[in-house]
Amino acid sequence: EIVLTQSPATLSLSPGERATLSCRASQSISSSLAWYQQKPGQAPRLLIYGASNRATGIPARFSGSGSETDFTLTISSLEPEDFAVYYCQHRSKFGQGTKVEIK
Amino acid sequence: EVQLVESGGGLVQPGGSLRLSCEASGFTFSSYWMNWVRQAPGKGLEWVANMREDGGEQYYAHSVKGRFTISRDNAKNSLYLQMNSLRGEDTAVYYCARYIMGSSGNYFDSWGQGTLVTVSS
Repeated sequence: EIVLTQSPATLSLSPGERATLSCRASQSISSSLAWYQQKPGQAPRLLIYGASNRATGIPARFSGSGSETDFTLTISSLEPEDFAVYYCQHRSKFGQGTKVEIK
Repeated sequence: EVQLVESGGGLVQPGGSLRLSCEASGFTFSSYWMNWVRQAPGKGLEWVANMREDGGEQYYAHSVKGRFTISRDNAKNSLYLQMNSLRGEDTAVYYCARYIMGSSGNYFDSWGQGTLVTVSS
């Protein structure tokens, strides 16, 4: 059974800074990884699929990279609306989430 | 525009039952796998169950297998989750989500707003 481990649990940054979130799989999953953003009281929103493909309507400041077991979600310059919780996903498994909070 | 609207949540006693519904619009419902994903208060996302386009296959998380039943009615563009023998740990917001299975992996590209299920005496 594949386990997805996200780090860090919390990331404290200021608007305009770069955010780097990690997701590690317990075994190779090729490029089959997606990233979601969730704000309080809202449903998750798909950001990235296939490790590096931006979903429709997602701003270019969001990018995904990685393959096999190590994946990264990068937000190049944080906007106020980007402070949220981010989850990675492979098939039926989700990571535990990384909260990006305002420093 | 893809829309998924859940309903049927509420307060139920431990051991009780509840049936959730998800009404889909804006896409050809019968062409997609559909899923239920839940989120306990203050916790992360947990996949619950899914069903193939024609209803011929369904899969469940270990935590709900034997208690929950997923079903769909493609004529009504609707997905359902029958929840029996409910426990306190089933308390969560339940989301309906469309599932994409392709060369770029499997992922949930559209989500409903969720419906809250509270299991408590």
